[in-house]
Amino acid sequence: GAGVSQSPRYKVAKRGQDVALRCDPISGHVSLFWYQQALGQGPEFLTYFQNEAQLDKSGLPSDRFFAERPEGSVSTLKIQRTQQEDSAVYLCASSPGQGYNTIYFGEGSWLTVV
Amino acid sequence: DQQVKQNSPSLSVQEGRISILNCDYTNSMFDYFLWYKKYPAEGPTFLISISSIKDKNEDGRFTVFLNKSAKHLSLHIVPSQPGDSAVYFCAASGGNRDDKIIFGKGTRLHILP
Repeated sequence: GAGVSQSPRYKVAKRGQDVALRCDPISGHVSLFWYQQALGQGPEFLTYFQNEAQLDKSGLPSDRFFAERPEGSVSTLKIQRTQQEDSAVYLCASSPGQGYNTIYFGEGSWLTVV
Repeated sequence: DQQVKQNSPSLSVQEGRISILNCDYTNSMFDYFLWYKKYPAEGPTFLISISSIKDKNEDGRFTVFLNKSAKHLSLHIVPSQPGDSAVYFCAASGGNRDDKIIFGKGTRLHILP
């Protein structure tokens, strides 16, 4: 498809379980962003890649969160030892990385930790 | 410390009338502003943007106004249609490609028949 693709769409994890969320950005897009959206809130920035380089990870809430984009295309957000407060929608977005930064979102991965 | 504020959690507007969604920001370094629209169970969809060199940008039924001195922007939708019912997010960035985009908490717009 032409848009940002995320998988899985829905994930239920038991507390303490590790999860991995995948993002396939729009082809050719240099920049890739991860956001976390809790219920009733706006998207909160987690981390940003330019190609394979992780330029900003200031939004990652703890060292249990890790993101990678090894070949500058597909990205994975990994959450270790999930906690109930990790329950949220995880949104991936990409942009061409030129000029003003308009980002295009995927449909999100809905994580519920029970 | 919220840098982008949408003070109205929800708004109801009669079909055919004008919808006005407001947004305030605190960071004077922001120079690029965006509006996104979100339907339930979908990701946010880019709607319209404006750079700080302009005070108005129009795209069909959607117009964004920017008042830099007041650090305020608004989205006007006219005429409002049932399909406009959604959550609208205001967002801002420093404009460089390395700058992260900061979002407000959103305003839920209900278009009444």
